[in-house]
Amino acid sequence: AQTVTQSQPEMSVQEAETVTLSCTYDTSESNYYLFWYKQPPSRQMILVIRQEAYKQQNATENRFSVNFQKAAKSFSLKISDSQLGDTAMYFCAFMKQSNYQLIWGAGTKLIIKP
Amino acid sequence: ETGVTQTPRHLVMGMTNKKSLKCEQHLGHNAMYWYKQSAKKPLELMFVYNFKEQTENNSVPSRFSPECPNSSHLFLHLHTLQPEDSALYLCASSQWGRGTEAFFGQGTRLTVV
Repeated sequence: AQTVTQSQPEMSVQEAETVTLSCTYDTSESNYYLFWYKQPPSRQMILVIRQEAYKQQNATENRFSVNFQKAAKSFSLKISDSQLGDTAMYFCAFMKQSNYQLIWGAGTKLIIKP
Repeated sequence: ETGVTQTPRHLVMGMTNKKSLKCEQHLGHNAMYWYKQSAKKPLELMFVYNFKEQTENNSVPSRFSPECPNSSHLFLHLHTLQPEDSALYLCASSQWGRGTEAFFGQGTRLTVV
């Protein structure tokens, strides 16, 4: 069975610093998708970034980028120039191509301090 | 309205009550989902509807009953719940089969007393 592990329950950094959130997953699939979602206090889950496993190039979205290591089954999220609005729960999720269902990690609570 | 809308935002119900949660999506998606979110646990997928047909029921107790009358609306009917069912219930929608992201509503915070 697929599992997703986020080893950092909570992290805290100063505004403008760079922070990296870790995520590892376990699967025997070769084709899949990986996601990072953000859930601010408003509770709405919002997509941060998406990676297709067959693409070697790491996905980037403005200040957000990933380090995708397929052999190591690692998918970390880097947030550069962190902002107060980045304070939220961050969830890593895995989607296998066979049924397109998302499997979630337990989340990392990120606090950006002024 | 755009996106995924859930009502109500908050719900307190007794164990003998019957209530329903509503979800509506305006994104033209063909798949809809119910998730349960409890503190410090991964999201738990409860039900999946693909083109209005239920394709997954992840061992959810029968006190939770989903209904999908069309591809834009999804309901979760609740009856004789237990206190451990208190959680945030999230609805999501997506375009099935493309590996694209799911879009979520803001959830219903359910408290069973």
